[in-house]
Amino acid sequence: GAGVSQSPRYKVAKRGQDVALRCDPISGHVSLFWYQQALGQGPEFLTYFQNEAQLDKSGLPSDRFFAERPEGSVSTLKIQRTQQEDSAVYLCASSLGGLGEKLFFGSGTQLSVL
Amino acid sequence: QQQVKQSPQSLIVQKGGISIINCAYENTAFDYFPWYQQFPGKGPALLIAIRPDVSEKKEGRFTISFNKSAKQFSLHIMDSQPGDSATYFCAANSGYSTLTFGKGTMLLVSP
Repeated sequence: GAGVSQSPRYKVAKRGQDVALRCDPISGHVSLFWYQQALGQGPEFLTYFQNEAQLDKSGLPSDRFFAERPEGSVSTLKIQRTQQEDSAVYLCASSLGGLGEKLFFGSGTQLSVL
Repeated sequence: QQQVKQSPQSLIVQKGGISIINCAYENTAFDYFPWYQQFPGKGPALLIAIRPDVSEKKEGRFTISFNKSAKQFSLHIMDSQPGDSATYFCAANSGYSTLTFGKGTMLLVSP
């Protein structure tokens, strides 16, 4: 595709529900990143994949957050038992190589937990 | 610990004026300093980036000034236009760390 694609664009969940957010990176991009952006704040790092390997998950806020990229392309960020504090925009980014290279961001998924 | 500190939080500039946004970093291992531009409802997009081997980089109306000894870098937008109204983020990383963002500066260019 032409850019990083994320779906759904908007997600409303009731507190306690599980959600799954999808990211389609730019074809051929090795690295994939998930960021969380609260309203009026900068993106905060969640996790990083190089191909199918999750090399850094230090930013995941709790064990309710889980990410995977099983075939080294599409990635899914799953949040179990959602809480109100999980409400944010979840951004996916990809890069051609490893760390220190230009990141291309998707438009994000806006998650609202009621 | 906030590794990249950005100021001001918001900025209003008249059309044709110069917009200046500043960032300071703490980690001396950082060697890549990009600026991202974000419009409402969109993801951040890379605007311009610099590495510490140069003190200034210019691309069109956008210039990054870099001061390695002070651990500071800034974005200058010359001849600011209403279409430049957006949120700007500085960021930093090294080849061994993921990109860390500042909190952002909301720029409004008045017509």
